[in-house]
Amino acid sequence: ETGVTQTPRHLVMGMTNKKSLKCEQHLGHNAMYWYKQSAKKPLELMFVYSLEERVENNSVPSRFSPECPNSSHLFLHLHTLQPEDSALYLCASSQAGGGRVNTEAFFGQGTRLTVV
Amino acid sequence: KNQVEQSPQSLIILEGKNCTLQCNYTVSPFSNLRWYKQDTGRGPVSLTIMTFSENTKSNGRYTATLDADTKQSSLHITASQLSDSASYICVVTRRNTDKLIFGTGTRLQVFP
Repeated sequence: ETGVTQTPRHLVMGMTNKKSLKCEQHLGHNAMYWYKQSAKKPLELMFVYSLEERVENNSVPSRFSPECPNSSHLFLHLHTLQPEDSALYLCASSQAGGGRVNTEAFFGQGTRLTVV
Repeated sequence: KNQVEQSPQSLIILEGKNCTLQCNYTVSPFSNLRWYKQDTGRGPVSLTIMTFSENTKSNGRYTATLDADTKQSSLHITASQLSDSASYICVVTRRNTDKLIFGTGTRLQVFP
């Protein structure tokens, strides 16, 4: 286990549904990330939270809404998704900032999302 | 443009054989390079991390090399095992940022 837990592991939802992905880290890190991994494409960074503030939003459609209530928890709220949003959604955490060179991102197991 | 390219895209080898995966990058300024292993349906797990001054780093049967001049890295797997079947992702970090730039990965399959 990496210390980053994601739930659920699998999710099937219709295009009119509203669901949420949850991520929890037990590593004491100060930054958390949402990534999208589609088949045969590099991981795409979606959102970054540092010290519970959103510091990056990579032109992600508004149907994806992140929430970071504290440094240990991160949510991704989903509504009116499209079939092309089907992918593996990965959460990661790290101890970011301060010019650290060897900062490692620890990933959760991911949520396999299928939009039907 | 900051990019990371990996080759081959996929690789099949027999158990017990060695293999080498390649990573070329154009990320600048360079901070560090990591190799991650990602089992199917799971999150990536770090294997090695190398900074500018490091040429070689080993982690068990995994040996990573880095040539910062040519901006190339390789991951050599010795005496492969069935459990080595996974995707191997090269990730480069730009200096003074925490932004990870991912390659598309090499899908390795080890057959008995």
